[in-house]
This record gives sequence, structure tokens and C-alpha cells, in this order.
Amino acid sequence: GAVVSQHPSRVICKSGTSVKIECRSLDFQATTMFWYRQFPKQSLMLMATSNEGSKATYEQGVEKDKFLINHASLTLSTLTVTSAHPEDSSFYICSARVQRGDEKLFFGSGTQLSVL
Amino acid sequence: SQQGEEDPQALSIQEGENATMNCSYKTSINNLQWYRQNSGRGLVHLILIRSNEREKHSGRLRVTLDTSKKSSSLLITASRAADTASYFCATGRLGGGGAQKLVFGQGTRLTINP
Repeated sequence: GAVVSQHPSRVICKSGTSVKIECRSLDFQATTMFWYRQFPKQSLMLMATSNEGSKATYEQGVEKDKFLINHASLTLSTLTVTSAHPEDSSFYICSARVQRGDEKLFFGSGTQLSVL
Repeated sequence: SQQGEEDPQALSIQEGENATMNCSYKTSINNLQWYRQNSGRGLVHLILIRSNEREKHSGRLRVTLDTSKKSSSLLITASRAADTASYFCATGRLGGGGAQKLVFGQGTRLTINP
């Protein structure tokens, strides 16, 4: 099956610093990737749709200047949490479709961000 | 806001028993999907059922869909300890750039006791 690799799996940072999370499709090209956020024992909240070669589309209420998404190639999307604060601590998960029009998603293993 | 609502929120059963989880949604759908998430990990796709289908099977999984009631159920038969995980339903919507996006329900935390 398709593999989506996400790094790092866990990161601890100081308040005010920026953190970059990478999401790679290892054996397919992903024109679209999705970034989700998940709080403990809660559902996944879609943050943004990352489109290769164009600007990401953010969901309502998600600050695009806070959560910078770059999809520079067909196999890599990055999420940068800028000037992180403790309230940004969360589990971030990326996902991708193998082909445009596919309905199911393949997920990375997630990144647990803890901001001190 | 999340599309789906699942019940129960948590379910604990003995190994070997069947586990049933339900999902309700509000808007029209093309398909409904079920995913599994082990603690602290990403999600794994289990099964997809289209709006013109009523029931689908995959191994020990059985999914039903009732579009008139806007609800779906996931049945896991002969449960095993390894089935312990959170299970989410997800429905598709058109998102940014025309890509279909998935909106997830609240999930059911399933615990299988040995």
C-alpha cells in the first residue's frame, strides 16, 4: 500500500520558536495533501488542504500566518508552526491520496508537538 | 465543525464478542469511510461504502449504510485484543481547490479485554 512518512514523530520546543513538520509520500506522487490537528481523545480537525505548486487552502478559523504550509514538490508538504505557544501543543497528522479522484486517504504516523 | 457523530464514545468488551459502533451524519454524501487509529499513531483506512450501497464486508468487518437515516454502523466480529483502537467514520466534502476533503466523526474508543 501507499506509504506516507511524517517527521518528526515527537518534538518539544520552547514558546516563541518555530517548528517544521515534514510529510512525504514515499512511493507515489501526491498532488494534494491534507493537514489535520487532533487533541487528546478527540477527533481530527482539518486544518488545510495543501496543493502542489499553489497556495494551501485553510479551513475557517485556522490562521494561515501561524500555520505555514508549503507543498513545493509532488512528494513533500511541510507544516511550520510559527512562534509556537503552549496552546499549539497538539498531535498533527498529514494525509494524502494516491491519485486525484481517489476517495481514501493514507496517513502519516503523526507528530506530537509539545510547546513549553 | 465535525460532520459525524459516533456512538458510543467508548466501548469495552471481552475478546471474542462482537463490537458495534454507529455513526450519524448531517449532509448528503457520496461515500462514507471508516478508519482505525491506534493510540498516538496515524489513521488506517478500513472500508469505504458508497451512497448506493447498503452493506459491505471485509474480513471480520461489516459496514452498513442507511442514507434515509443518515447513519452507518461498523461491526467487528469475533473481536481480538489487537482490535483495541479508536474508530472513526468520515464523510467526503468538496474542499479547497476542488479536492475532496474528509471530515471525521468524534470516534469510538474500543477496548477489547483479554
